[in-house]
Amino acid sequence: SSELTQDPAVSVALGQTVRITCQGDSLRSYYASWYQQKPGQAPVLVIYGQNNRPSGIPDRFSGSNSGNTTSLTITGAQAEDEADYYCNTRDSSGNHVVFGGGTKLTVL
Amino acid sequence: QVQLRQWGAGLLKPSETLSLTCALYGDSFTGYYLSWIRQPPGRGLEWIGEINHSGSTNYNPSLKSRVTISVDTSKNQFSLKLSSVTAADTAVYYCARGSMTTANYYYFYYMDVWGKGTTVTVSS
Repeated sequence: SSELTQDPAVSVALGQTVRITCQGDSLRSYYASWYQQKPGQAPVLVIYGQNNRPSGIPDRFSGSNSGNTTSLTITGAQAEDEADYYCNTRDSSGNHVVFGGGTKLTVL
Repeated sequence: QVQLRQWGAGLLKPSETLSLTCALYGDSFTGYYLSWIRQPPGRGLEWIGEINHSGSTNYNPSLKSRVTISVDTSKNQFSLKLSSVTAADTAVYYCARGSMTTANYYYFYYMDVWGKGTTVTVSS
């Protein structure tokens, strides 16, 4: 399958921990990457590979992988973390790029 | 600082051809996958296709019949053409630089540099 499945919406209380998940068959061969997108802005890479953060991404963002599921965890969510989050990888053939449908994170 | 800057026409009529160009500053194309992605209003990200520095392309099967992506390595630019546009092609179009590598018997792919986006509206 070339699809990645995400929950449409997740909420978290300020300062608490939240996990956003992404499922897909290609995740058994490919680590996913995660992007944060705020309204009116381009996506920003926050996690890639096994658990790598680009320069400038706070260490409260982390990633993990198990079987066909990848997860983005925000430990101590802040108000500025409220955004849409997308997972992304290549499909099982390796020839195409796929995105999950996105998860809208609300920080309460 | 590595940047992608993109430009192109923002208003099209149905049946016209969408044309966008993206330039990479601060690095070369070599070794990267250069993608176009779009996002219809209020919806998620959709990958359109990609090209590498040698001109090898991959396209989203749902758009393949209408898409052409080309590269000009002398200018560090790559371009998107989408023919026969309709209102369904109205979206913000992004260019992005992708990398793929391997570790621990896994591949990993990510897009680390994105353009700011170009809003394209198709309307008669």
